[in-house]
Amino acid sequence: SQKIEQNSEALNIQEGKTATLTCNYTNYSPAYLQWYRQDPGRGPVFLLLIRENEKEKRKERLKVTFDTTLKQSLFHITASQPADSATYLCALGRYNAGNNRKLIWGLGTSLAVNP
Amino acid sequence: DVKVTQSSRYLVKRTGEKVFLECVQDMDHENMFWYRQDPGLGLRLIYFSYDVKMKEKGDIPEGYSVSREKKERFSLILESASTNQTSMYLCASRTRDRVGNQPQHFGDGTRLSIL
Repeated sequence: SQKIEQNSEALNIQEGKTATLTCNYTNYSPAYLQWYRQDPGRGPVFLLLIRENEKEKRKERLKVTFDTTLKQSLFHITASQPADSATYLCALGRYNAGNNRKLIWGLGTSLAVNP
Repeated sequence: DVKVTQSSRYLVKRTGEKVFLECVQDMDHENMFWYRQDPGLGLRLIYFSYDVKMKEKGDIPEGYSVSREKKERFSLILESASTNQTSMYLCASRTRDRVGNQPQHFGDGTRLSIL
């Protein structure tokens, strides 16, 4: 069955360092991948989309890579700040007409940036 | 900015009650979703609606029904609430496009407790 794995352990890093979160998947061929941020007691907020034909996407301090050979996406936050502390979710989707409404969600990785 | 509003942040109901969770979006989105989120299980899709009066079962529809009479409103109904339906419920909406990779916009959730 389809499976998505994100860093199971919480990630603790020092302010100013680069945080790297992983999203691995098996038994699935996504056409695109999305990253979301979720704060406690709030709904997820969309951050970035990367398509299967794109190797890398950037938005301000965020960078996402997508390696369909390794079946992996990496999410980087450079110059991290305590305000970046949150849970980060990856979600995979396909363009298949029957299923293009649904995403496959990872469980999320909790990131804590210490001052 | 897209706004997705869920009617209650916290709700406490009794076993056997019929429970209504309401969600309203203000961006004229065609697609709307209901998820539940539980620790260790992540986001699980209950139902989605790709347009008014259209609905499709997600991964865990048992014990739930939905209603989409107007484009902006998507209701989740627990026909006879049970304790295993205690959870965080999240509503999301998304614009429809040709390839289906548009981001989902979430409300802040309803934390439902069934006693």
